[in-house]
Order: sequence, then structure tokens, then C-alpha cells
Amino acid sequence: KQEVTQIPAALSVPEGENLVLNCSFTDSAIYNLQWFRQDPGKGLTSLLLIQSSQREQTSGRLNASLDKSSGRSTLYIAASQPGDSATYLCAVFSGAGSYQLTFGKGTKLSVIP
Amino acid sequence: DTEVTQTPKHLVMGMTNKKSLKCEQHMGHRAMYWYKQKAKKPPELMFVYSYEKLSINESVPSRFSPECPNSSLLNLHLHALQPEDSALYLCASSHADGAYEQYFGPGTRLTVT
Repeated sequence: KQEVTQIPAALSVPEGENLVLNCSFTDSAIYNLQWFRQDPGKGLTSLLLIQSSQREQTSGRLNASLDKSSGRSTLYIAASQPGDSATYLCAVFSGAGSYQLTFGKGTKLSVIP
Repeated sequence: DTEVTQTPKHLVMGMTNKKSLKCEQHMGHRAMYWYKQKAKKPPELMFVYSYEKLSINESVPSRFSPECPNSSLLNLHLHALQPEDSALYLCASSHADGAYEQYFGPGTRLTVT
């Protein structure tokens, strides 16, 4: 059974810092991996989708990498801003014939002005 | 337009009430999903509709009854709920039922009294 772990559970950084969020998964047979952000009490916003054949994907100040063989992905946020404060969730599509997202528990990011 | 809309935003209902949640997307997606999210937990998949047919039911109690009237609409009918069913209910859609990027709505905050 696929398990997704995100470390740390919470992170607090001063504004302007570059930061890295980590995601690991136990079964490397994934189809792709999706990063989301969630503001308190709100829905999920899709940030990036990385296909299993890709190594990285970029959108603005965000860069996500995928190392399928080691079961890891990172989300790099450059020049963090207070508006980046949210919970970041990693989710993988995996399982032969089972196209379902398995979510990590998320990293709660606080960017201090 | 990558918007999924959900109504209502908030719902309070008694255990004997019948209510419905509504979800709508106009992206031409053929897969739609219902998730349940408890506080500080990741979303849990409840149902998947593919081409307007129920394809996955994650052993959800019968007091939750999904309906897909057409390819743009997804409803979740609620009846005789329990207080532990209080949660954020999220709708999502994707191009098709498979390893495609999922787009989430803002959710309905449900409180069962």
C-alpha cells in the first residue's frame, strides 16, 4: 500500500528566504505526483504536476523535482512571501489499475514578514 | 478556466435532515470526485464518477448518496448524518478517470448537530 510522508510537518521562515519542502513515497511505481496548496478552511489549489518520466517542473517561483527511484520529491519556493503561508500537500497517483491520489499529511508553512 | 464551484459554502444540518451539496465544472472534464477532509488531515476519497457513471465507491455509508446528472454537475445527497460526518467536503474534476491533474473546488463546510 502506498504511503506518502511529508517532513517537516510545520515550517516557519522569514520573508525572502528560499525553502524546500520534502515528500517521500514508499512505492516507486507511480504515474505522477501533484503538489497542492491549501489555505485554512479552503479547497486545494493545484501547483504543479510532475509526470513519472519527468525530473522537474517549474511554475514561477516554484520548482518541483521528482526522483522516482528513491521515492522522493521536493518543492522549492524561491524568495518566500507572507502570501505563501499555507499548508502544502503532496499527492501521488499510483497502483496498477488504481488511479487514485494518495496524499501526504502536508507541511504547514508560515512566512514571517 | 480551471474553476470548480461548490455550493453551499457552509451547511449546518440536524441528524434528521436531508440536504444536498452541489459541484459544477465547465472544463469539459469527464471525471469528478467527492472527497471528505477532517481537520488537520489530508482529503479522503469517497466517490469517483467517470463519464457520468459511478466507478469508485470507497465503502462510504449509504447516508451519503452521490449523483451525476450530467457531465458538468455532481451532487452529494445527505440524509440521517451523524455528528462525526462534520467535515469539509471537497469536489474535484479531471480530464478523465486516470492519472490526470485534479482540480479542486473551495469545499463545503458541513456541520451536523
